Amino acid sequence: IVMTQSPATLSVSPGERATLSCRASQSVSSNLAWFQQKPGQAPRLLIYGASTRATGIPARFSGSGSGTEFTLTISSLQSEDFAVYYCQQYNIRPPYTFGQGTKLEFK
Amino acid sequence: QVQMVESGGGVVQPGRSLRLSCAASGFSFSSYGIYWVRQAPGKGLEWVAVISYDGSDKYYADSVKGRFTISRDNSKNTVDLQMNSLRAEDTAVYHCAKGYSYGEDWGQGTLVTVSS
Repeated sequence: IVMTQSPATLSVSPGERATLSCRASQSVSSNLAWFQQKPGQAPRLLIYGASTRATGIPARFSGSGSGTEFTLTISSLQSEDFAVYYCQQYNIRPPYTFGQGTKLEFK
Repeated sequence: QVQMVESGGGVVQPGRSLRLSCAASGFSFSSYGIYWVRQAPGKGLEWVAVISYDGSDKYYADSVKGRFTISRDNSKNTVDLQMNSLRAEDTAVYHCAKGYSYGEDWGQGTLVTVSS
């Protein structure tokens, strides 16, 4: 299953809303996770099951979608949210796959 | 708290082998699957392999199938990744993560450089 994220780079100002997209080449149901990665750091789980926030993740992060189309929304960007975001499908059985990432940068 | 610590990385010549280890603590290790993900320099994340909680199920990415082997020792809370016939394109930081379907907690990774 190929995961395609768009856009590759998103320029947004602090306080604004950011919408990141992830598309699967075939249905993955709701078996979709989102990760955040900052330079020099390990990835951090944000969302699993397409829409369930992981422990400790702020409510400004929300996930939606099912099947082949998914969205990660950050409602009001904080300075610490500028990072690269990856989606990953885990449908049925491995191998699993990541999208190529969306870089969220300061406008 | 959960800790995942990778070790064993280094510089290795093409065609040679290397064994990575992932040491876990802070959770009931024998109840969780563990997966490996790698990241080539300046690139995105690539899923590599996963092992189930009891070691009975193992899966690999096509890019490493037949060359890499994942294993675990629940008495030592460790997961190993044996990497054989290494290629230049295997150069990456290798992360292990708690979880079978998605990584709930990640290690900082260990760098593997395949170069002559």
